[in-house]
Amino acid sequence: DIQMTQSPSSLSASVGDRVSITCRASQSISTYLNWYQQKPGKAPNFLISAASNLQSGVPSRFSGSGSGTDFTLTISSLQPEDFATYYCQQTYSTSRTFGQGTKVEIK
Amino acid sequence: EVQLVQSGAEVKKPGESLKISCKGSGYTFNTYWIGWVRQMPGKGLEWMGIIYPFDSDTRYSPSFQGQVTISADKSISTAFLQWSSLKASDTAMYYCARQSSGWPYSFDYWGQGTLVTVSS
Repeated sequence: DIQMTQSPSSLSASVGDRVSITCRASQSISTYLNWYQQKPGKAPNFLISAASNLQSGVPSRFSGSGSGTDFTLTISSLQPEDFATYYCQQTYSTSRTFGQGTKVEIK
Repeated sequence: EVQLVQSGAEVKKPGESLKISCKGSGYTFNTYWIGWVRQMPGKGLEWMGIIYPFDSDTRYSPSFQGQVTISADKSISTAFLQWSSLKASDTAMYYCARQSSGWPYSFDYWGQGTLVTVSS
């Protein structure tokens, strides 16, 4: 399996802050990388595909970048509704692994 | 509107069998892969496997191969996840999700989840 490692595992930030989450793959995955947001008690929500393609309805303060093994999810100005856990997922291999998640908490 | 509706919460004893379901609507069910994702209490998402309902082609994560069975009945637009002998460690929330057609194979729509509790 391709291993996906996110950092940090958690972070505390204030409304209005710029936040970045990193996802590293154990081998090159080109841009076969998706990001999801999960709020407590809810199913995950699909945010970004192919490393940088924002899904319809997702606010433009979210952006994604990277290719190969290193990827970043950035929230340009954190809003109250953005406090959640974020997961990356690789779809390069048939066994499509997730990262362990990054919890974004209120400072 | 695309919807995936999962069966309700289950409470089972160790050793019992279980089959949970995921019914798709609002799209051509046969032609999109459906995946299953496990989330143990307080933990992250784990990709279990996927099935293509048109021909029941199924792929499993090595971690779940032999532990669960994924199936589908295209006549009723429903995918299934089943266990033959549950363990306490199977206690988790299980989500189904539709995989987008073609690259980059994202899970674009998700079910609401089915909570499975295994306890003696």
